[in-house]
Amino acid sequence: QSALTQPPSASGSPGQSVTISCTGTSSDVGGYNYVSWYQQHPGKAPKLMIYEVSKRPSGVPDRFSGSKSGNTASLTVSGLQAEDEAEYYCSSYAGSNNLVFGGGTKVTVL
Amino acid sequence: QLQLQESGSGLVKPSQTLSLTCAVSGGSFSSGGYSWSWIRQPPGKGLEWIGRISHTGSTSYNPSLKSRVTISVDRSKNQFSLKLSSVTAADTAVYYCARVGPGGYLSYWGQGTLVTVSS
Repeated sequence: QSALTQPPSASGSPGQSVTISCTGTSSDVGGYNYVSWYQQHPGKAPKLMIYEVSKRPSGVPDRFSGSKSGNTASLTVSGLQAEDEAEYYCSSYAGSNNLVFGGGTKVTVL
Repeated sequence: QLQLQESGSGLVKPSQTLSLTCAVSGGSFSSGGYSWSWIRQPPGKGLEWIGRISHTGSTSYNPSLKSRVTISVDRSKNQFSLKLSSVTAADTAVYYCARVGPGGYLSYWGQGTLVTVSS
């Protein structure tokens, strides 16, 4: 299984929106509605932000939203805030109880 | 609140076996529908899924690591373990344990533990 493809970086000004893509194949992203997104600040463990493509765990602001079209999933952060500056990783179920991660996207708040 | 805590050797010599344990507290270890996973992150790099184990002991491993990985569970102690054999410097990473929800989302994570492979 190959890693999912994410852009290395994305940026936006406070209050703006930023969208991160996550491209896989029909064997992972395109084949299942089991895409999740994680936020990781430096030196910290990742935090689940979105699961099953578009569901938000309790406590995650509704500024974070997820979607999927074909083999590409997306995470949108609306109303960017300083604390949103972090690394974001996508992950997908890849069949046979396997998981695969994306390479990560560094989001910078300008 | 479910909590996970990794423990084990922080320094392993090349060709030896890395061993880590994840202790689970604050919740049921044997809840149906959940499994338990190991993930690693080399310094300055991205996340890599290592494998997972169900509460019944059924395992799945990353194909790229499968020949060297063993994940086991000790339900009596509410913990699960990772063994990675024949390690090299490329196995140097922060190792995380996590709970896996249906479909594969990782909802609870340990704080991570750095394992360095060096002679």
